[in-house]
Amino acid sequence: NAGVMQNPRHLVRRRGQEARLRCSPMKGHSHVYWYRQLPEEGLKFMVYLQKENIIDESGMPKERFSAEFPKEGPSILRIQQVVRGDSAAYFCASSSPTSRETQYFGPGTRLLVL
Amino acid sequence: DAKTTQPTSMDCAEGRAANLPCNHSTISGNEYVYWYRQIHSQGPQYIIHGLKNNETNEMASLIITEDRKSSTLILPHATLRDTAVYYCIVRVSGSARQLTFGSGTQLTVLP
Repeated sequence: NAGVMQNPRHLVRRRGQEARLRCSPMKGHSHVYWYRQLPEEGLKFMVYLQKENIIDESGMPKERFSAEFPKEGPSILRIQQVVRGDSAAYFCASSSPTSRETQYFGPGTRLLVL
Repeated sequence: DAKTTQPTSMDCAEGRAANLPCNHSTISGNEYVYWYRQIHSQGPQYIIHGLKNNETNEMASLIITEDRKSSTLILPHATLRDTAVYYCIVRVSGSARQLTFGSGTQLTVLP
């Protein structure tokens, strides 16, 4: 049973470009969470999604950031017009409907904005 | 979710047991104690969780006091690869909400 998969593992963007981060949850998991870890800081929740629905986006910056989890395919975290302050590690986690409390994390995507 | 308090850092000799404490004095009856760890630059890794009974799995043991106000994560034979930040998180049973990571304990396993 493959774990949570994220790609790309490393992403370099110039200021003003768009970044798209992908997350494939574990098989059978329908809950996806995105977290961000800024350099030398702790993990901060961004958004919680179920298939085709955003459940909680209280941690998402108000502008430039969006997330989706379509019926088919991976969850996408999209950052438009990236700025240097967006440089961070972005982690995705998933949980199953029957054991929602336990989240399993992917390896993360390291975004570097030049 | 109840607040937790952990020491900032701990050292442990390789091969010895690592005992990581966590205080959660405001825990309520339907809240579980979860432990995760984050090895440098990797994604957080689930370790173990429990409600009130002691739990053991292939990674660790979790000892929860009878009054549930504190717990200890035990790595029975620490290796260098166990060097990581360990997070104690309390959350409600059945909760699908986000995890709130505090500062955790930086465990350094020394050769």
